[in-house]
Amino acid sequence: KNEVEQSPQNLTAQEGEFITINCSYSVGISALHWLQQHPGGGIVSLFMLSSGKKKHGRLIATINIQEKHSSLHITASHPRDSAVYICAVRGGTDKLIFGTGTRLQVFP
Amino acid sequence: DAGVTQSPTHLIKTRGQQVTLRCSPKSGHDTVSWYQQALGQGPQFIFQYYEEEERQRGNFPDRFSGHQFPNYSSELNVNALLLGDSALYLCASSLGHSGNTIYFGEGSWLTVV
Repeated sequence: KNEVEQSPQNLTAQEGEFITINCSYSVGISALHWLQQHPGGGIVSLFMLSSGKKKHGRLIATINIQEKHSSLHITASHPRDSAVYICAVRGGTDKLIFGTGTRLQVFP
Repeated sequence: DAGVTQSPTHLIKTRGQQVTLRCSPKSGHDTVSWYQQALGQGPQFIFQYYEEEERQRGNFPDRFSGHQFPNYSSELNVNALLLGDSALYLCASSLGHSGNTIYFGEGSWLTVV
């Protein structure tokens, strides 16, 4: 079993829909990152969370430390949101442990 | 301000050859980590450099080695390339320890034939 599990693996949506991507982890963490990866390969950091909730534009990330679970929400989705969204956790050491990602496609 | 830059962006090597990938961290960052991402998979941690020393290492064989220079730039070297080394190699930089945001480069696509 992977230390970081994401669901769903693939997600399609119509423009304007509300989207939720989930992440569960089994290790103790100091922080959790939500990342976005476009087909070219580069990764952009969206959020770094250690507790509670963060919001940036149409993106919202929440984390429940007790339940070892985090969610990434996208409101009013748009085709330009199409990408792979990756959850990564930072444990007691500095290295990141990644989930396998959720491939999101938003259609007009 | 340039972010994390990696070179080359794409390269093709033959089995048994050696490859060197390069990374310049974001300005002011002193910590560089390298990750390998196989197609369809999440990135896997290779190693991390801080103050020119390898601080941590993931489950990769000794064929994978690295270096960090005084200006904090870093190299990843892979010897005796195998077909399975074909992947996207990502460099990430941060400042100091675990409380800070990580910035990623665009990656180097390595194909071993």
